[in-house]
Amino acid sequence: DQQVKQNSPSLSVQEGRISILNCDYTNSMFDYFLWYKKYPAEGPTFLISISSIKDKNEDGRFTVFLNKSAKHLSLHIVPSQPGDSAVYFCAASRDLQGAQKLVFGQGTRLTINP
Amino acid sequence: NAGVTQTPKFQVLKTGQSMTLQCAQDMNHEYMSWYRQDPGMGLRLIHYSVGAGITDQGEVPNGYNVSRSTTEDFPLRLLSAAPSQTSVYFCASSSPNRSPYEQYFGPGTRLTVT
Repeated sequence: DQQVKQNSPSLSVQEGRISILNCDYTNSMFDYFLWYKKYPAEGPTFLISISSIKDKNEDGRFTVFLNKSAKHLSLHIVPSQPGDSAVYFCAASRDLQGAQKLVFGQGTRLTINP
Repeated sequence: NAGVTQTPKFQVLKTGQSMTLQCAQDMNHEYMSWYRQDPGMGLRLIHYSVGAGITDQGEVPNGYNVSRSTTEDFPLRLLSAAPSQTSVYFCASSSPNRSPYEQYFGPGTRLTVT
């Protein structure tokens, strides 16, 4: 039972355009969501997070949107840069104190083309 | 700060052998976790700890043991290695007192069981 799903294994975007990565979840108890970026042979690194009391959070070129009724979140990267090429994981947890118990999606490989 | 360190980086085991994957963090984080990453599966939680002397099971704990005698260290023991344990293992740490509650990941240990 995959509670967090990233249905697009890969995404290719031209440099300078917007990248949109999507994530769906099934457990309505999740109330804290995070996006991680992973380069080959490295551990995941934190990008941005959002609490369920918000529907949007921005940090520079990265914006995360949360639609609780649809159980859907998305990560927007504008403008996309070659260094953004990586695997992106969304993750969810049930509460802030449980943030060490993350449930991850399968990941989306983003490729930014020059 | 070294952050989260893991040793070894690579390991090959024969079926039935035992070994310990080491994890250490120097950020004085209360929480530490172990995940495994398999192709198409994202990261799955094996065991976690909310402080020295306190551990609990995650999503896929079978075949693994952990202990936490100090805040800094959280070793993962494979009792009798099986080919199904071939994976990349990531250790992570976090603090419940630091927003935005993201986990910091180590670089990973790639384990092959033949």
